[in-house]
Amino acid sequence: GQQVMQIPQYQHVQEGEDFTTYCNSSTTLSNIQWYKQRPGGHPVFLIQLVKSGEVKKQKRLTFQFGEAKKNSSLHITATQTTDVGTYFCAGPGNQGGKLIFGQGTELSVKP
Amino acid sequence: EAGVTQFPSHSVIEKGQTVTLRCDPISGHDNLYWYRRVMGKEIKFLLHFVKESKQDESGMPNNRFLAERTGGTYSTLKVQPAELEDSGVYFCASSQRLGLAGFSSYNEQFFGPGTRLTVL
Repeated sequence: GQQVMQIPQYQHVQEGEDFTTYCNSSTTLSNIQWYKQRPGGHPVFLIQLVKSGEVKKQKRLTFQFGEAKKNSSLHITATQTTDVGTYFCAGPGNQGGKLIFGQGTELSVKP
Repeated sequence: EAGVTQFPSHSVIEKGQTVTLRCDPISGHDNLYWYRRVMGKEIKFLLHFVKESKQDESGMPNNRFLAERTGGTYSTLKVQPAELEDSGVYFCASSQRLGLAGFSSYNEQFFGPGTRLTVL
């Protein structure tokens, strides 16, 4: 079945260091979404990428969608303690509507 | 605008008991989804309502799980009888449905705070 793989599972960084999480789908995606879940919280939508090779930026966050629309990445420049949480990528399921989530990357930032 | 709400926030029950989770989506959102996250693993899809109709229930683990959305407003997810492996955080999410030129596209999903279910 359709799978979305995400690495790494955990990432511990010193405040100010950069962070990247990678997402790979077993099938071509029409779009990919990114969510952030703070500790004890719930997933919150960050962004959706639709076009092949698309790059979008939100302040220190840079999101990329691969040319083949099967992979994506999220890069955070100069991490801050407020960046702590689990970052999920998610692609649409075969039947539409539902999201197939990656395993998530848990980011911890040491001040 | 009120967000997605879920009740209860926590539930601790014994194996074999019944639990009913409730989700109130954002007003006007036709799409309602149930997901589950078990022990820090990935968030797994359970089912999808469009208004009161079940659009996709391919993620429901077994017939111990029953979801309803009477009237197309709030939804309930009942687990009966609960088993140990049902423990986890159950998230509800809702989204608008965009219809455009004969096909539908789906946009961001708004998640509720979740119900943490512990089965002992």
